[in-house]
Amino acid sequence: EVQLLQSGGAFVQPGGSLRLSCAASGFTFSAYAMSWVRQAPGKGLEWVSAITGSGRDTYHADSVQGRFIISRDNSKTTLYLQMDRLRAEDTAVYYCAKDSRGWYWETHFDNWGQGALVTVSS
Amino acid sequence: EIVLTQSPGTLSLSPGERATLSCTASQSIRSTYLAWYQQRPGQAPRLLIYGVSNRATGIPDTFSGSGSGTDFTLTITRLDPEDSAVYYCQQYGSSPFTFGPGTRVHIK
Repeated sequence: EVQLLQSGGAFVQPGGSLRLSCAASGFTFSAYAMSWVRQAPGKGLEWVSAITGSGRDTYHADSVQGRFIISRDNSKTTLYLQMDRLRAEDTAVYYCAKDSRGWYWETHFDNWGQGALVTVSS
Repeated sequence: EIVLTQSPGTLSLSPGERATLSCTASQSIRSTYLAWYQQRPGQAPRLLIYGVSNRATGIPDTFSGSGSGTDFTLTITRLDPEDSAVYYCQQYGSSPFTFGPGTRVHIK
């Protein structure tokens, strides 16, 4: 059974930093791309970042480009999202999601983590 | 960026009824790169349909997807109280991969 266990959500001041983690099990982690999708309170879903199974290629939405970095440690089967220079508009529940293939283009999300709430406020 | 519009915003139906949810894209979606997700209150999204019409693992056949080009439909036959949720369509054929705003299905 695929499991994605998230940790790291917190209350942070504007300009601060936070790292989210997503521990994966139940599948060959390195064979699949992974993504982060966020959902602002009461809002819809936004694809934020993605990384190929090998970790060689990454994607970041324009809204987080230059502030967020996605990475993975295949030896620890864990996905990360380093978030710097946080803004109030980054407040959201962040979900890690497993892509259906080793690359993140032209793939859908077939499993999701439970979510982690990030609140950015002074 | 492809913008997805979903209608209606809210659907209120009784158990056993049929629900028809629409998803319209601002431009044609490449190949069959469209998915549907269900999000129950307080839960993470769950994949229902991928590739326009393929049911994900464990999804009952009361859920079906159809469409092409810019117009897509999710149909739920014989609504169950557990189907009360927000349903999102997503295109993954053109980056950035985008979601629709969702349709809320309320079971009377």
